[in-house]
Amino acid sequence: KNEVEQSPQNLTAQEGEFITINCSYSVGISALHWLQQHPGGGIVSLFMLSSGKKKHGRLIATINIQEKHSSLHITASHPRDSAVYICAVGSNYQLIWGAGTKLIIKP
Amino acid sequence: DAGVIQSPRHEVTEMGQEVTLRCKPISGHNSLFWYRQTMMRGLELLIYFNNNVPIDDSGMPEDRFSAKMPNASFSTLKIQPSEPRDSAVYFCASSKPGRPYSNQPQHFGDGTRLSIL
Repeated sequence: KNEVEQSPQNLTAQEGEFITINCSYSVGISALHWLQQHPGGGIVSLFMLSSGKKKHGRLIATINIQEKHSSLHITASHPRDSAVYICAVGSNYQLIWGAGTKLIIKP
Repeated sequence: DAGVIQSPRHEVTEMGQEVTLRCKPISGHNSLFWYRQTMMRGLELLIYFNNNVPIDDSGMPEDRFSAKMPNASFSTLKIQPSEPRDSAVYFCASSKPGRPYSNQPQHFGDGTRLSIL
């Protein structure tokens, strides 16, 4: 079993839909990161959180430390949100990466 | 503000040749990371420097790979001799002073797409 599991692996939705991507982990963590990788390959750090909830524009990230689970939500999704979303957890001076969720938003 | 700058963006070379990838971290960032991304294995940490000193190189695949950080504004990743299985996208990332992975986000460069024929 991987230490960081993301679901779903692939997600296709229509423009405007509310999107949820999940991340579960099995190790003790000091912080959880959400990153976005566009089709062109660039990686952008979206959020880093260790408790509660953070919001940036249409993106919301939540984490439940007790349940070892985090979610990334996208409201009013748009085709430009199409990308791979990666969850990574900081644990014991290492960063453990999830496999990523490939999101496609159709117009 | 300039982000993490990597060069070259693309490199195609024949197996056996030496390959050098370059990275300029964001000014003021004291942690630098080299990653490799492949379809099969996803993102893998190769090496991590803190204040120009290699801290964790357990991800470096083998002796053919070496990384240096001669000063705070420059790092190289070398592969010699290169092999087709080294084909991947190599990312460099940097972060501000602080506890790595824990309370400082990493800023990524655009990556170098390496193809070894």
